[in-house]
Amino acid sequence: AQTVTQSQPEMSVQEAETVTLSCTYDTSESDYYLFWYKQPPSRQMILVIRQEAYKQQNATENRFSVNFQKAAKSFSLKISDSQLGDAAMYFCAYRAYSGAGSYQLTFGKGTKLSVIP
Amino acid sequence: GAVVSQHPSWVICKSGTSVKIECRSLDFQATTMFWYRQFPKQSLMLMATSNEGSKATYEQGVEKDKFLINHASLTLSTLTVTSAHPEDSSFYICSAWGAGDTDTQYFGPGTRLTVL
Repeated sequence: AQTVTQSQPEMSVQEAETVTLSCTYDTSESDYYLFWYKQPPSRQMILVIRQEAYKQQNATENRFSVNFQKAAKSFSLKISDSQLGDAAMYFCAYRAYSGAGSYQLTFGKGTKLSVIP
Repeated sequence: GAVVSQHPSWVICKSGTSVKIECRSLDFQATTMFWYRQFPKQSLMLMATSNEGSKATYEQGVEKDKFLINHASLTLSTLTVTSAHPEDSSFYICSAWGAGDTDTQYFGPGTRLTVL
């Protein structure tokens, strides 16, 4: 079974600085998707960024970028120019095949990011 | 993208009563929806996969008789917590794979259930 590990329960960053959140996963598949979701205090899950494993290029969405190391099974999220609105729980997720043509997400335990003004 | 809604956003009920939570895909059809449960400061735990026109698939340890799931149309799945007890108090979230972007899961805003 696939597992997703986020080793940093909490992180903090100064406003305008850069922070990197770590995520590792375990899988025997060669083609898969990885995601970072943000859950602010409202608790609405928001997609931050997505990476397809067959793409070697790291995904980027404005201030958010990933460092995808397929061989090391590592998928870290870098937030540049941190803003107060970035404060949230961040979940790393892996799209796993669940059989009969279906897929489901496996989540890490999350990292709580605080942004210091 | 895709928009998923949930209703109600919060509900308070007495122990022993049943509560129904609705999950709708607003601008797309979803043959499969997912129901998660989230305790405070914890990650999302998949409870069940809801399949349109067929029985839901429950994760190990989830009581199917307590958490009834119905997916009667391509835009609506419901979760009914039957004979709710205080330990059922939690945050329930539904999701679906997006239309046109079927590789990404989109989430509803969640429902906070409090059982007194």
